[in-house]
Order: sequence, then C-alpha cells, then structure tokens
Amino acid sequence: EAGVAQSPRYKIIEKRQSVAFWCNPISGHATLYWYQQILGQGPKLLIQFQNNGVVDDSQLPKDRFSAERLKGVDSTLKIQPAKLEDSAVYLCASSPLDRTGDYEQYFGPGTRLTVT
Amino acid sequence: RKEVEQDPGPFNVPEGATVAFNCTYSNSASQSFFWYRQDCRKEPKLLMSVYSSGNEDGRFTAQLNRASQYISLLIRDSKLSDSATYLCVVISGGYNKLIFGAGTRLAVHP
Repeated sequence: EAGVAQSPRYKIIEKRQSVAFWCNPISGHATLYWYQQILGQGPKLLIQFQNNGVVDDSQLPKDRFSAERLKGVDSTLKIQPAKLEDSAVYLCASSPLDRTGDYEQYFGPGTRLTVT
Repeated sequence: RKEVEQDPGPFNVPEGATVAFNCTYSNSASQSFFWYRQDCRKEPKLLMSVYSSGNEDGRFTAQLNRASQYISLLIRDSKLSDSATYLCVVISGGYNKLIFGAGTRLAVHP
C-alpha cells in the first residue's frame, strides 16, 4: 500500500514570498491533516479535513495560511506571505477513521521549509 | 500550561538498560492515548496505544493513570535501534485531533 506522498521535500524561500505544499493521502482515507513541526517541538495541528470539509482549523493562522482539499483527495497548503517563524517541517497525515474507531494517523515524509 | 508535557530528555543509556518516559496531560476529558516514535528527520510513526489496564508489546510497556493524568512508556533491554524521539500523544475532543508533546529524545550507546 502506498503511503502518504508530499512534495516538495525541501523548500527555501525569502520572507514575504509565497509557497505551496502538496499532499496525496493514502487511498480511501477520509481524513487529512496538516501539521507544523518546529525544531525541538512536537507536531501542531494546523487544519483537519473530513473528506473535503474542514472540521478543525482553530490553529491555522488564517491571515497568511490557507488550505484546500478539492474532491476530497489531494490537498494543498499555502503560505502567503511567509515569515521567518514559519520555518518548520510541514507534515501531512491521513486516517481512515473507520467504524471501529481506528485512530492511527499515517504521516508523510514532510516538507522542510526554510524562510530566510 | 501545555496540554501535554513530557520529560525534557535527552536520555543517554547503554545497550541493555531499562528506561522510562513520563508524560502528563491537562485535559481530564481526554479519551485516547498513544506513543509515537520519530527518527531523526523522519515522520512520526505509531509505536503503541495506551490502555487503562496497561499494555505490553515485546520490550515496550505503556501505562495510563487517569486519576493522575499520567502516561508512561517503559523500554526494557534497550537496543541501538531504539534511539529516537518518543512523542506522547493525546486525543481530546472530537474528530480524532492528536495533541503531541514536545518529545523525549533517547540515545542508546554501545
């Protein structure tokens, strides 16, 4: 079974520039998550989709971050404009959330963003 | 106060040692608990779930104390390959929202 795919793996941009990340979840997984992991910290949830609807975006800085999941499959996360403090690894995860309550989230390899 | 707090680490132990990690959570309504493992520059992966009755998976034992809002992970007979960061994870609220601790780094040396 193919895992969660993310691209690009690395990105370096200057502050005030824009950047977009792409995620393709495991086939059939209804739930998709974007996390931000700053060096030395645990992942922090930015946004959660159930199919193509948002169920939690309480920690998404909406003045600069946006995300969409068209057709309930792939997702993109955008930052515009980027700040130095956005330097982090952006992790995408997916979960089947089946009837038995399988809560395991499967993570992609992440995109390492450096803002200079 | 952080929602999930872990031992600061790092833990440097010799092969064969027994090591224990602790974690506390602030939301008494939290429903489910996990330990994830994250290797350097890799993504987190589920290590094991944590049940009220305690559970064991080979050399790994997880315990939950709901009254004290405390979770632990015990690793027996440490291997070099156990070197990683161990993340304590709690589910609070609906929609399977994972809340991660900052992680505890373990380094096992020969």
